[in-house]
Amino acid sequence: QKEVEQNSGPLSVPEGAIASLNCTYSDRVSQSFFWYRQYSGKSPELIMSIYSNGDKEDGRFTAQLNKASQYVSLLIRDSQPSDSATYLCAVNNNNDMRFGAGTRLTVKP
Amino acid sequence: EAGVVQSPRYKIIEKKQPVAFWCNPISGHNTLYWYLQNLGQGPELLIRYENEEAVDDSQLPKDRFSAERLKGVDSTLKIQPAELGDSAVYLCASTQGDEQFFGPGTRLTVL
Repeated sequence: QKEVEQNSGPLSVPEGAIASLNCTYSDRVSQSFFWYRQYSGKSPELIMSIYSNGDKEDGRFTAQLNKASQYVSLLIRDSQPSDSATYLCAVNNNNDMRFGAGTRLTVKP
Repeated sequence: EAGVVQSPRYKIIEKKQPVAFWCNPISGHNTLYWYLQNLGQGPELLIRYENEEAVDDSQLPKDRFSAERLKGVDSTLKIQPAELGDSAVYLCASTQGDEQFFGPGTRLTVL
């Protein structure tokens, strides 16, 4: 079992829709959780961090964390073509950062 | 504030040749990471430094890979000799607290 698992996709949504990205992790003692966006040919860019159970909203992005279920998600509201990228889930335990393989999102105009 | 700096951005070498990558983290960031990323995969840790100490190098192929961070600031990752399977993007990242920031990466092609 991989330490951090994501739906590989690709996920395709129409412009203006909600995109939902999911991630599960295996290490119960993980402390902090992150979503990175990676455009093709570019390096990962941090877009959201979440540390406690519940929701965290930042603009069109909402991260959700459920530690009991070892589940993290990212919702993108009003999706735009510029949101088309690969989204990486990352899980941190004492600076030991583990990444999922990423979900490729395409937002169609 | 300057971000994580890496050089070179691209490198093409023939197999069995040596290659080195350089990284300068964000000023004040004590933790530095080297990752390898293959197409369609997430970054995979090669080595993590806390200041000048390598605290996790369990995934570093030590027969051909080496790294150093002598003064706890910039770092060099070396491969000698390179193999065809080493073709990938090599990413450097640094953290202060929990949030990790990546450099632009070095795309290595081994022919």
